[in-house]
Amino acid sequence: AQTVTQSQPEMSVQEAETVTLSCTYDTSESDYYLFWYKQPPSRQMILVIRQEAYKQQNATENRFSVNFQKAAKSFSLKISDSQLGDAAMYFCAYRSATGNQFYFGTGTSLTVIP
Amino acid sequence: KAGVTQTPRYLIKTRGQQVTLSCSPISGHRSVSWYQQTPGQGLQFLFEYFSETQRNKGNFPGRFSGRQFSNSRSEMNVSTLELGDSALYLCASSLGLVGATDTQYFGPGTRLTVL
Repeated sequence: AQTVTQSQPEMSVQEAETVTLSCTYDTSESDYYLFWYKQPPSRQMILVIRQEAYKQQNATENRFSVNFQKAAKSFSLKISDSQLGDAAMYFCAYRSATGNQFYFGTGTSLTVIP
Repeated sequence: KAGVTQTPRYLIKTRGQQVTLSCSPISGHRSVSWYQQTPGQGLQFLFEYFSETQRNKGNFPGRFSGRQFSNSRSEMNVSTLELGDSALYLCASSLGLVGATDTQYFGPGTRLTVL
């Protein structure tokens, strides 16, 4: 089974600064999808950004961008101009292109300091 | 479009009882996945249903079961509750497409407390 590792249980960032959350995964597949989800204290998990492994270009959604390193099996999330509303638990997830099961990391709790 | 809904939002049960949780997916979504979330364990995959059939299953005991109806609504049942079953149970829906870009959308969760 695929494994997803988030080695930073907790991170903090000053408001307006930039922070990078790390994620690595283990797979023998060549085609797959990677996701970052955000879970604010209200508990509703929402999609932040998605990356298709066959695309070399890193995905970007407003202040959120990823650094996808396929050979290194690394998928980090960069949050620019951090805002108080970015405080949440962030989960990295993997999905095979040949199945529909998602594999999640254990999460990184992000604190934004005013 | 309405999002994923889960009922009830909170449940308190005692050991040995059974419980049924419900999930209504986004309209048009045919896949429903269930996860157990506990502090320190992250999201543990329970099972996925697609077109009324269980398509994937995680590593949970048989006390955890589920089903999906023809309208894609899904229920999850836990029998003979144990203290360790206390958790947030999340449901996620997606189109269920294999080999294509697809994304899971989550409901707000059901907080189950077992006393």
